Amino acid sequence: NAGVTQTPKFQVLKTGQSMTLQCAQDMNHEYMSWYRQDPGMGLRLIHYSVGAGITDQGEVPNGYNVSRSTTEDFPLRLLSAAPSQTSVYFCASRGGPLGTEAFFGQGTRLTVV
Amino acid sequence: DAKTTQPPSMDCAEGRAANLPCNHSTISGNEYVYWYRQIHSQGPQYIIHGLKNNETNEMASLIITEDRKSSTLILPHATLRDTAVYYCPRNKFYFGSGTKLNVKP
Repeated sequence: NAGVTQTPKFQVLKTGQSMTLQCAQDMNHEYMSWYRQDPGMGLRLIHYSVGAGITDQGEVPNGYNVSRSTTEDFPLRLLSAAPSQTSVYFCASRGGPLGTEAFFGQGTRLTVV
Repeated sequence: DAKTTQPPSMDCAEGRAANLPCNHSTISGNEYVYWYRQIHSQGPQYIIHGLKNNETNEMASLIITEDRKSSTLILPHATLRDTAVYYCPRNKFYFGSGTKLNVKP
C-alpha cells in the first residue's frame, strides 16, 4: 500500500515554462487537495476535490489548474511558472467528510528561476 | 467562516508535558477536531482526532472542552524528536500556520 505518491520530488523550471505535478493515491479516497508551503510558513490550500469530476479553488489558486478525471489521480498544472511559485508542494487525500484523517505525500520541491 | 487559532510557537523542556492549545469556536456540531504534525519538511502526519470525548492513543492525548470551542493536544513526555509544527486544521482542507513546538534539552 503506497499511500499518496507525488512525482517528481524535485524540479527546476525556467520562468514561463509549464509543468504538471503528479499526485496519486491507492486508498480509494474521495477527497484530495494540493497545498504549497513557503519557507517558515504553514500550508496554504491551492485546489481541492471532493470526488472525480469535482474540483474547487482554495486560498491561493491563481496560476494553477487541476482536474480529477479518476479517483486515484489529482494532477496540479502550473500554466506559466513564475519565481513566486518557488515552494514545496504537498498533495493530500482523505476518505470522506467525517471521521477520517488526511494522508500526505512527501512533497515536491519546486524552484523557478 | 470557520477558523482555528493557534499560538505561533511554544517551548517545552524535554521530558515535560507539552500542552498545545487550539481555539475552534466556530466548529460545527458534527465536525471532528483533528491534530497533525509536520517534522522538518516532511509531509504532515496525523496524530489524533475526536468529536466530543477526550481521546488518547500511543502518541498523544486530546482534550476537548465541553462546549467544543477549544481543544488541547498533550504530549505527555516530550522528546527532542517532538520538535515540529503542530496543526489543528479548521476543516477538512484548511490547515493554516500551526504551532511550532520547540523541545529543549
